Amino acid sequence: SQQGEEDPQALSIQEGENATMNCSYKTSINNLQWYRQNSGRGLVHLILIRSNEREKHSGRLRVTLDTSKKSSSLLITASRAADTASYFCATVQNTGFQKLVFGTGTRLLVSP
Amino acid sequence: DAGITQSPRHKVTETGTPVTLRCHQTENHRYMYWYRQDPGHGLRLIHYSYGVKDTDKGEVSDGYSVSRSKTEDFLLTLESATSSQTSVYFCAIRTLRTGANQPQHFGDGTRLSIL
Repeated sequence: SQQGEEDPQALSIQEGENATMNCSYKTSINNLQWYRQNSGRGLVHLILIRSNEREKHSGRLRVTLDTSKKSSSLLITASRAADTASYFCATVQNTGFQKLVFGTGTRLLVSP
Repeated sequence: DAGITQSPRHKVTETGTPVTLRCHQTENHRYMYWYRQDPGHGLRLIHYSYGVKDTDKGEVSDGYSVSRSKTEDFLLTLESATSSQTSVYFCAIRTLRTGANQPQHFGDGTRLSIL
């Protein structure tokens, strides 16, 4: 069964605007990860946030985690056309085998 | 670049035929994973391996088997392909540095169509 639900399913914005994607999950987690997938390619890891962290930054990316609400958000600031891709959250319940359980993804379109 | 190569990249085959997909890595990583990606489902784990000859089932393992006879290769086999196994298949590896929380690195996928 799918762990995460992502919202919105699709998002269309202009270059320079911010993009926010949300992820909700069902069970307790050890960490939550965000991945990007360009069309026809594999997934690329963006950022990992541990269950005891509330916020993390990496360049133009900001991720928040609220374990009480079982939700996370990914903010991309000052978006660029090159940010056009699908974005997935994935949760890890146990650290042993680090099995990822993915959400259904958000398709982001950034227009010039 | 995590040095992951999936082969073939595309394959079309008929229902009932056996199919084997190969994932090859060049960096001696211990953990390897097979996922399938379908519209509306994101990625779902099929099988994973935590060492040579050490494998286990994931969420959607029915109809699939795997083998890992050497560190660098993780094979996914569909013994008798069905149309429901039409999908894009991704292999991933996980590096094992200090600390338990490490991301996975993905190959570019194999697009499999079963007619």
